[in-house]
Amino acid sequence: DAKTTQPNSMESNEEEPVHLPCNHSTISGTDYIHWYRQLPSQGPEYVIHGLTSNVNNRMASLAIAEDRKSSTLILHRATLRDAAVYYCSLNSGNTPLVFGKGTRLSVIA
Amino acid sequence: DTEVTQTPKHLVMGMTNKKSLKCEQHMGHRAMYWYKQKAKKPPELMFVYSYEKLSINESVPSRFSPECPNSSLLNLHLHALQPEDSALYLCASSLVGAGGNYGYTFGSGTRLTVV
Repeated sequence: DAKTTQPNSMESNEEEPVHLPCNHSTISGTDYIHWYRQLPSQGPEYVIHGLTSNVNNRMASLAIAEDRKSSTLILHRATLRDAAVYYCSLNSGNTPLVFGKGTRLSVIA
Repeated sequence: DTEVTQTPKHLVMGMTNKKSLKCEQHMGHRAMYWYKQKAKKPPELMFVYSYEKLSINESVPSRFSPECPNSSLLNLHLHALQPEDSALYLCASSLVGAGGNYGYTFGSGTRLTVV
């Protein structure tokens, strides 16, 4: 029972920023927001997670709305290697990770 | 070592065969998971092990039998599968506790074809 909603697909030009949205209107106070991506023929790969504050790491940035009902994964400069399915999930530790349908990102050279 | 290793990478088996999928990690993670992924679909949770004990079985048919012999190993025993069981089987591991303040590490999966 996925609790997140994402667009089915998005397209970006290479070397431009990409903003991938996720809605999670039923998020609880203990839910962390997690993002994973899955490249073709590979297992999912952890990207980033956060609770309330915006987060940055070497792969991406996570912007979390003040009411926590939505978040945005930001890839600062898309490359061809970023073409993948991106999954937004909620995880409080009480239940295991459940994947929604994800967003298929295409990157155009 | 920050990897989850799954073997074999590819497996073709007949409907009367018995085979096993293997998953190994040496990150000290005490939670391990099996997911099943059909083409163009998200991964679906099958089983969860916590401290080597089965904690969640998502109503998986008995022809799939998980086993966690120690904190580093997770097996999935397969018997009398059907062609519709053909899929990518993914293993993952994570820390236990600390709420959801940790990520999962996934293996690259075993591509299973049942003929």
